[in-house]
Amino acid sequence: DSGVTQTPKHLITATGQRVTLRCSPRSGDLSVYWYQQSLDQGLQFLIQYYNGEERAKGNILERFSAQQFPDLHSELNLSSLELGDSALYFCASSVGFGRGTWETQYFGPGTRLLVL
Amino acid sequence: GENVEQHPSTLSVQEGDSAVIKCTYSDSASNYFPWYKQELGKRPQLIIDIRSNVGEKKDQRIAVTLNKTAKHFSLHITETQPEDSAVYFCARIRGSQGNLIFGKGTKLSVKP
Repeated sequence: DSGVTQTPKHLITATGQRVTLRCSPRSGDLSVYWYQQSLDQGLQFLIQYYNGEERAKGNILERFSAQQFPDLHSELNLSSLELGDSALYFCASSVGFGRGTWETQYFGPGTRLLVL
Repeated sequence: GENVEQHPSTLSVQEGDSAVIKCTYSDSASNYFPWYKQELGKRPQLIIDIRSNVGEKKDQRIAVTLNKTAKHFSLHITETQPEDSAVYFCARIRGSQGNLIFGKGTKLSVKP
């Protein structure tokens, strides 16, 4: 167990809908990262938050947004869902925000999203 | 570019043999290289990592080597066991940010 928790474990929804994925980082970690894993694209970085502020953006669609709350948990919001959004969504946490330092990232168990 | 190239994509070995997975990168600012093991449907789990100021690191049957000049790093698993069967991902930290850039993964199968 990495100490990172994610809910829900599974999510089945229809195209056009909106869902929210939740992540709680390890105790003491200030950074949260969101990654998307699909069969054809591998593990892709979406977005990073550090202590409540957005720090880096990757290949995140405009339909997706995230935030980190004062208690450091984070939510990833996916809207106007399409079939191609079906994937495993992982969050990871680390102590700091990277910036070229050597931050170990620990992954949560993931949320499996299926869009029908 | 910023991608990490990982080879091979699949690797099948007999139990007890060694397995080697190699990754190459082009961003010379990268200074942290972790390896993750992912079993089917589970989270990526860190198995070993290496910083750019060392050339090799070992943890029991697992070792990682780094050649910063040639910009490649490799995972070595000795005395493989069936429970080593999984997908292994190499990654590098993006120099200006904190996120990881992953290779495409290597599916390792260890046959008893």
